[in-house]
Amino acid sequence: KAGVTQTPRYLIKTRGQQVTLSCSPISGHRSVSWYQQTPGQGLQFLFEYFSETQRNKGNFPGRFSGRQFSNSRSEMNVSTLELGDSALYLCASSLDPRGGKLFFGSGTQLSVL
Amino acid sequence: AQSVTQPDIHITVSEGASLELRCNYSYGATPYLFWYVQSPGQGLQLLLKYFSGDTLVQGIKGFEAEFKRSQSSFNLRKPSVHWSDAAEYFCAVGAADSGGSNYKLTFGKGTLLTVNP
Repeated sequence: KAGVTQTPRYLIKTRGQQVTLSCSPISGHRSVSWYQQTPGQGLQFLFEYFSETQRNKGNFPGRFSGRQFSNSRSEMNVSTLELGDSALYLCASSLDPRGGKLFFGSGTQLSVL
Repeated sequence: AQSVTQPDIHITVSEGASLELRCNYSYGATPYLFWYVQSPGQGLQLLLKYFSGDTLVQGIKGFEAEFKRSQSSFNLRKPSVHWSDAAEYFCAVGAADSGGSNYKLTFGKGTLLTVNP
């Protein structure tokens, strides 16, 4: 069974641009969560989608958004990029996150110049 | 709101030595507790989890963790460390709001483990 796939693996953008990251969950998993990882703040929860509905959202500005498609694939978008958005963005899928078994992808490393 | 503290930012042990990584949490009820491991440039892998029942839980790769309610702790242990255990370890708390919704994981800042030959 294929794991969680995130694309692209690396991304370089400049301030003010926007970016879209993609996540394909494990087959059969309907929940997709997104986390931002930085050396200073650690892992911070962005949002969680289940069956195309956002169920939970972390404390991030509205520039961060996401969506989930009918096949459970998810995208997150960051508009008007800032230098502080440079981070590793991790996607995790699960049958139900309350079960605790979140399966993480390898992440997308975003660098904002 | 829940929170997790991992007091040790960096730990160095010799191969074959025992290991204990500390984790303290803050939450009003009994939370779901997890330990994850992250190798450089990779995502997180679940080592073990505690939901209820036996307070000593066994995980993969020879790791175990003990839930101590009185100390609000969930420390990770391994009797003999291997060089391949070098990685960053994250403790996490899973909890929902009072209505049972908005479940999420809150992670500690991580402990970087270095293993000396």
